[in-house]
Amino acid sequence: AQTVTQSQPEMSVQEAETVTLSCTYDTSESDYYLFWYKQPPSRQMILVIRQEAYKQQNATENRFSVNFQKAAKSFSLKISDSQLGDAAMYFCAYRRTYSGGGADGLTFGKGTHLIIQP
Amino acid sequence: GAGVSQSPSNKVTEKGKDVELRCDPISGHTALYWYRQSLGQGLEFLIYFQGNSAPDKSGLPSDRFSAERTGGSVSTLTIQRTQQEDSAVYLCASSLEGASWRGRTGELFFGEGSRLTVL
Repeated sequence: AQTVTQSQPEMSVQEAETVTLSCTYDTSESDYYLFWYKQPPSRQMILVIRQEAYKQQNATENRFSVNFQKAAKSFSLKISDSQLGDAAMYFCAYRRTYSGGGADGLTFGKGTHLIIQP
Repeated sequence: GAGVSQSPSNKVTEKGKDVELRCDPISGHTALYWYRQSLGQGLEFLIYFQGNSAPDKSGLPSDRFSAERTGGSVSTLTIQRTQQEDSAVYLCASSLEGASWRGRTGELFFGEGSRLTVL
Protein backbone atom coordinates (compact mmCIF):
# COMPACT_ATOMS: atom_id res chain seq x y z
CA ALA A 1 0.00 0.00 0.00
CA GLN A 2 1.11 3.51 -0.67
CA THR A 3 1.94 5.83 2.20
CA VAL A 4 2.63 9.54 2.32
CA THR A 5 4.58 11.13 5.18
CA GLN A 6 4.76 14.79 6.09
CA SER A 7 7.20 15.14 8.94
CA GLN A 8 6.49 18.79 9.76
CA PRO A 9 3.18 19.23 11.63
CA GLU A 10 3.69 23.01 11.65
CA MET A 11 5.94 25.52 9.92
CA SER A 12 6.26 29.26 10.40
CA VAL A 13 7.75 31.78 7.99
CA GLN A 14 8.03 35.54 7.79
CA GLU A 15 6.02 37.26 5.11
CA ALA A 16 8.01 37.62 1.85
CA GLU A 17 10.43 34.84 2.87
CA THR A 18 10.76 31.39 1.37
CA VAL A 19 9.61 28.19 3.04
CA THR A 20 9.94 24.52 2.07
CA LEU A 21 7.47 21.84 3.13
CA SER A 22 8.68 18.25 3.12
CA CYS A 23 6.95 15.13 1.85
CA THR A 24 8.11 11.58 1.34
CA TYR A 25 6.12 8.67 -0.01
CA ASP A 26 6.40 4.97 -0.47
CA THR A 27 5.23 3.09 -3.54
CA SER A 28 6.22 0.20 -5.74
CA GLU A 29 4.73 1.86 -8.81
CA SER A 30 6.87 3.58 -11.42
CA ASP A 31 4.25 5.92 -12.79
CA TYR A 32 2.04 8.09 -10.61
CA TYR A 33 0.92 11.59 -9.78
CA LEU A 34 1.96 13.69 -6.82
CA PHE A 35 0.03 16.71 -5.62
CA TRP A 36 0.15 19.47 -3.09
CA TYR A 37 -3.25 20.63 -1.90
CA LYS A 38 -3.95 23.68 0.24
CA GLN A 39 -6.79 23.70 2.78
CA PRO A 40 -7.64 27.15 4.17
CA PRO A 41 -10.11 27.58 7.05
CA SER A 42 -12.93 27.41 4.49
CA ARG A 43 -12.15 23.66 4.40
CA GLN A 44 -12.11 23.34 0.62
CA MET A 45 -9.07 21.52 -0.70
CA ILE A 46 -7.46 23.55 -3.45
CA LEU A 47 -4.86 22.15 -5.82
CA VAL A 48 -1.58 24.04 -5.57
CA ILE A 49 0.65 22.03 -7.88
CA ARG A 50 0.92 18.59 -9.50
CA GLN A 51 3.79 16.47 -10.75
CA GLU A 52 3.75 13.44 -13.04
CA ALA A 53 6.36 10.90 -12.04
CA TYR A 54 7.55 10.26 -15.59
CA LYS A 55 8.51 13.91 -15.99
CA GLN A 56 11.97 14.75 -14.72
CA GLN A 57 11.38 18.49 -14.79
CA ASN A 58 10.12 19.94 -11.53
CA ALA A 59 6.69 21.54 -11.73
CA THR A 60 6.29 25.26 -11.04
CA GLU A 61 3.23 27.43 -10.61
CA ASN A 62 4.09 31.07 -10.05
CA ARG A 63 5.51 31.30 -6.50
CA PHE A 64 5.12 27.56 -5.92
CA SER A 65 7.64 24.98 -7.06
CA VAL A 66 8.49 21.42 -6.18
CA ASN A 67 11.69 19.46 -5.76
CA PHE A 68 10.82 16.00 -7.02
CA GLN A 69 13.42 13.34 -6.25
CA LYS A 70 11.99 10.10 -7.65
CA ALA A 71 14.75 7.79 -6.46
CA ALA A 72 14.53 9.19 -2.95
CA LYS A 73 10.71 9.26 -3.14
CA SER A 74 10.72 12.85 -1.99
CA PHE A 75 8.40 15.65 -3.11
CA SER A 76 8.94 18.96 -1.31
CA LEU A 77 7.04 22.18 -1.92
CA LYS A 78 8.79 25.53 -1.99
CA ILE A 79 6.79 28.69 -1.52
CA SER A 80 8.66 31.85 -2.49
CA ASP A 81 7.75 35.38 -1.40
CA SER A 82 5.29 34.04 1.19
CA GLN A 83 2.04 35.97 1.51
CA LEU A 84 -0.49 36.14 4.32
CA GLY A 85 -2.98 34.34 2.08
CA ASP A 86 -0.69 31.34 1.93
CA ALA A 87 -1.51 30.50 5.54
CA ALA A 88 -3.32 27.14 5.51
CA MET A 89 -2.91 23.41 5.95
CA TYR A 90 -0.90 21.88 3.14
CA PHE A 91 -1.37 18.26 2.19
CA CYS A 92 0.89 16.16 0.05
CA ALA A 93 -0.94 13.47 -1.90
CA TYR A 94 -0.16 10.51 -4.13
CA ARG A 95 -2.22 8.90 -6.86
CA ARG A 96 -1.38 6.03 -9.15
CA THR A 97 -1.99 6.63 -12.83
CA TYR A 98 -3.76 3.49 -13.96
CA SER A 99 -7.20 2.25 -13.11
CA GLY A 100 -6.49 -1.16 -11.63
CA GLY A 101 -9.58 -1.60 -9.55
CA GLY A 102 -10.15 -0.46 -6.03
CA ALA A 103 -10.07 3.12 -4.97
CA ASP A 104 -7.98 5.16 -7.36
CA GLY A 105 -8.17 8.32 -5.38
CA LEU A 106 -5.60 10.14 -3.39
CA THR A 107 -3.48 8.95 -0.50
CA PHE A 108 -2.82 11.92 1.75
CA GLY A 109 -0.19 12.83 4.27
CA LYS A 110 -1.32 14.22 7.63
CA GLY A 111 -0.63 17.78 6.58
CA THR A 112 1.58 20.71 7.55
CA HIS A 113 0.08 23.79 9.15
CA LEU A 114 1.78 26.81 7.58
CA ILE A 115 1.82 30.04 9.57
CA ILE A 116 2.79 33.31 7.92
CA GLN A 117 4.22 35.90 10.29
CA PRO A 118 3.51 39.49 9.17
CA GLY B 1 -21.84 27.04 -9.65
CA ALA B 2 -19.58 24.64 -11.52
CA GLY B 3 -17.83 23.18 -8.48
CA VAL B 4 -18.56 20.28 -6.13
CA SER B 5 -21.43 21.17 -3.83
CA GLN B 6 -21.99 19.64 -0.40
CA SER B 7 -24.80 20.02 2.10
CA PRO B 8 -25.34 20.66 4.88
CA SER B 9 -22.29 22.76 5.61
CA ASN B 10 -22.63 22.03 9.31
CA LYS B 11 -24.69 19.43 11.13
CA VAL B 12 -25.09 18.97 14.86
CA THR B 13 -26.86 15.84 15.98
CA GLU B 14 -27.42 13.77 19.06
CA LYS B 15 -25.74 10.44 19.62
CA GLY B 16 -27.82 7.63 18.15
CA LYS B 17 -29.51 9.70 15.46
CA ASP B 18 -29.10 9.04 11.73
CA VAL B 19 -27.63 11.70 9.43
CA GLU B 20 -27.47 12.15 5.67
CA LEU B 21 -24.80 14.16 3.90
CA ARG B 22 -25.20 15.12 0.27
CA CYS B 23 -22.71 15.67 -2.52
CA ASP B 24 -23.39 17.08 -5.97
CA PRO B 25 -20.30 16.53 -8.13
CA ILE B 26 -19.11 18.50 -11.12
CA SER B 27 -21.25 17.74 -14.14
CA GLY B 28 -19.67 15.05 -16.31
CA HIS B 29 -17.34 13.73 -13.64
CA THR B 30 -17.73 9.98 -13.50
CA ALA B 31 -15.78 9.35 -10.31
CA LEU B 32 -16.91 10.42 -6.86
CA TYR B 33 -15.09 9.98 -3.55
CA TRP B 34 -15.99 10.47 0.09
CA TYR B 35 -13.27 11.23 2.62
CA ARG B 36 -13.37 11.82 6.36
CA GLN B 37 -11.13 14.36 8.04
CA SER B 38 -10.96 14.13 11.80
CA LEU B 39 -9.52 16.97 13.88
CA GLY B 40 -5.81 17.35 13.22
CA GLN B 41 -5.72 14.39 10.88
CA GLY B 42 -5.27 13.87 7.18
CA LEU B 43 -7.99 12.62 4.90
CA GLU B 44 -9.28 9.09 5.34
CA PHE B 45 -10.80 7.40 2.28
CA LEU B 46 -14.33 6.12 2.81
CA ILE B 47 -15.96 5.10 -0.47
CA TYR B 48 -15.50 5.46 -4.22
CA PHE B 49 -17.99 5.44 -7.09
CA GLN B 50 -16.94 5.09 -10.72
CA GLY B 51 -19.64 5.27 -13.35
CA ASN B 52 -22.01 2.33 -13.16
CA SER B 53 -19.52 0.02 -11.48
CA ALA B 54 -20.07 -1.37 -8.02
CA PRO B 55 -18.71 1.09 -5.47
CA ASP B 56 -15.51 0.44 -3.56
CA LYS B 57 -16.61 0.46 0.06
CA SER B 58 -13.30 -0.70 1.49
CA GLY B 59 -12.78 2.46 3.52
CA LEU B 60 -16.10 2.50 5.37
CA PRO B 61 -15.27 2.18 9.09
CA SER B 62 -18.36 0.22 10.11
CA ASP B 63 -21.69 -1.06 8.83
CA ARG B 64 -23.31 2.07 10.22
CA PHE B 65 -21.88 3.91 7.22
CA SER B 66 -23.40 3.58 3.77
CA ALA B 67 -23.52 5.62 0.59
CA GLU B 68 -25.35 5.64 -2.67
CA ARG B 69 -25.08 7.50 -5.89
CA THR B 70 -28.21 7.99 -7.93
CA GLY B 71 -28.13 8.33 -11.69
CA GLY B 72 -24.37 8.58 -11.68
CA SER B 73 -24.56 12.04 -10.19
CA VAL B 74 -25.64 13.07 -6.69
CA SER B 75 -24.36 10.98 -3.79
CA THR B 76 -25.65 10.61 -0.25
CA LEU B 77 -23.53 9.41 2.66
CA THR B 78 -25.63 8.02 5.49
CA ILE B 79 -24.41 7.42 9.02
CA GLN B 80 -26.80 5.46 11.21
CA ARG B 81 -26.86 5.54 14.99
CA THR B 82 -24.19 8.22 15.12
CA GLN B 83 -21.44 8.03 17.72
CA GLN B 84 -19.25 10.81 19.09
CA GLU B 85 -16.25 9.39 17.23
CA ASP B 86 -18.11 10.07 13.97
CA SER B 87 -17.59 13.81 14.54
CA ALA B 88 -15.46 15.03 11.65
CA VAL B 89 -15.52 16.92 8.38
CA TYR B 90 -16.79 14.78 5.53
CA LEU B 91 -15.33 15.82 2.20
CA CYS B 92 -16.61 14.84 -1.21
CA ALA B 93 -14.52 14.98 -4.37
CA SER B 94 -15.14 14.24 -8.01
CA SER B 95 -12.86 13.50 -10.90
CA LEU B 96 -13.04 13.09 -14.64
CA GLU B 97 -12.07 9.47 -15.18
CA GLY B 98 -12.71 6.52 -17.37
CA ALA B 99 -11.15 3.34 -18.63
CA SER B 100 -8.53 5.36 -20.48
CA TRP B 101 -8.08 8.39 -18.30
CA ARG B 102 -4.34 8.32 -18.57
CA GLY B 103 -3.30 11.68 -19.90
CA ARG B 104 -5.85 13.54 -17.85
CA THR B 105 -4.71 15.67 -14.95
CA GLY B 106 -5.50 13.15 -12.26
CA GLU B 107 -6.81 15.98 -10.13
CA LEU B 108 -9.65 15.53 -7.66
CA PHE B 109 -11.97 18.49 -7.18
CA PHE B 110 -13.25 18.93 -3.65
CA GLY B 111 -16.33 20.44 -2.08
CA GLU B 112 -16.19 22.52 1.09
CA GLY B 113 -17.18 19.59 3.24
CA SER B 114 -19.86 18.90 5.81
CA ARG B 115 -18.83 19.33 9.42
CA LEU B 116 -20.61 16.76 11.58
CA THR B 117 -20.74 17.19 15.35
CA VAL B 118 -22.24 14.39 17.41
CA LEU B 119 -23.16 15.42 20.94
